[in-house]
Amino acid sequence: DQQVKQNSPSLSVQEGRISILNCDYTNSMFDYFLWYKKYPAEGPTFLISISSIKDKNEDGRFTVFLNKSAKHLSLHIVPSQPGDSAVYFCAAIVGGSNDMRFGAGTRLTVKP
Amino acid sequence: EAEVAQSPRYKITEKSQAVAFWCDPISGHATLYWYRQILGQGPELLVQFQDESVVDDSQLPKDRFSAERLKGVDSTLKIQPAELGDSAMYLCASSHGMNTEAFFGQGTRLTVV
Repeated sequence: DQQVKQNSPSLSVQEGRISILNCDYTNSMFDYFLWYKKYPAEGPTFLISISSIKDKNEDGRFTVFLNKSAKHLSLHIVPSQPGDSAVYFCAAIVGGSNDMRFGAGTRLTVKP
Repeated sequence: EAEVAQSPRYKITEKSQAVAFWCDPISGHATLYWYRQILGQGPELLVQFQDESVVDDSQLPKDRFSAERLKGVDSTLKIQPAELGDSAMYLCASSHGMNTEAFFGQGTRLTVV
């Protein structure tokens, strides 16, 4: 079963604007969440993470928001740059186990 | 900068043949994962090791897939016999501790013909 869901397979934004990527999860045992970025023919690269005890984590242009009651997290990229064009995966870890599950990914295209 | 090493990068094999992939995690990382990614989908966990022990292999098709990490360092994933549906990217990742990010290798792209 798909415990981590990314319902938007693709997103296109203009350079300089905000990109918002969404992720929903069903397993209440997840307590650590991550975003990975993936270019073709490469492995995923870690981008940013958030613990379930927080509701926001910011790193430069990237901010992750967590809404535990809604079992929802989002990644905000602002301003978006053409180099941000990639597939973004949401991942979640079950507390105390390192069991890490991924969503299906969202392909972001940032147009110049 | 330390990296997760995987080999080969690409593998083409005929169905019913055996194929093996190798992974060397970042030094000191106790947790090692093998994922399979089919085009258009997210990585699917096949097996997770903690040191040399299997923690989770519930998604591993054990009739044809096997994985080992004998000394708790590098790991091998084997498929025998390969089927057409096994064509995918096989990703290895490692992490240092609990609730930390995992670092991925570049993957092995398997094509079964």
